Amino acid sequence: DGGITQSPKYLFRKEGQNVTLSCEQNLNHDAMYWYRQDPGQGLRLIYYSQIVNDFQKGDIAEGYSVSREKKESFPLTVTSAQKNPTAFYLCASGDTGQPQHFGDGTRLSIL
Amino acid sequence: GQSLEQPSEVTAVEGAIVQINCTYQTSGFYGLSWYQQHDGGAPTFLSYNALDGLEETGRFSSFLSRSDSYGYLLLQELQMKDSASYFCAVRGGHQTGANNLFFGTGTRLTVIP
Repeated sequence: DGGITQSPKYLFRKEGQNVTLSCEQNLNHDAMYWYRQDPGQGLRLIYYSQIVNDFQKGDIAEGYSVSREKKESFPLTVTSAQKNPTAFYLCASGDTGQPQHFGDGTRLSIL
Repeated sequence: GQSLEQPSEVTAVEGAIVQINCTYQTSGFYGLSWYQQHDGGAPTFLSYNALDGLEETGRFSSFLSRSDSYGYLLLQELQMKDSASYFCAVRGGHQTGANNLFFGTGTRLTVIP
């Protein structure tokens, strides 16, 4: 089945630790996106990538990093510089002018 | 600045019709999308309007008036499973890129028997 796979579903981070969230898609989409969602809020764009080996900052990129070495993969690292990382993280992919398709999300909490 | 306004909560009766409004103020505009999200789940695409008028997809319809910077999502024959959050999102309304989506804060719809 075509889709977007995010892992893990739940993740816990210790103080000062970097953690990486995985996002893989087999939809052959060029563009991929990372969003953060806080309780009762909308989605805010962290990073996006329109093509392999290229990515751009979104509205709230501070404390996060990404890479796009392969078309199907767009991992997100939440660094220790992100002081309030507890949130629901959603990965999406899409082609220009087409709807974005979302993964099932990763819920990150602080230990 | 950029903003999307939608009601935070709406309650409606099973079998009824409900309309969720969205007004926007963004730096650019290519179209208005609607997404549904059940608690703890992923957003799923419902509808997209690039031009003025009504788009119908089964029980769901979406309307856009670009001159009024306004759109709405209409849900007919409400079912209990329609209880979810609904987000409007402007494509091109984002300073970071013409194709990116800028999301509203969502409307939580509760369907009651």
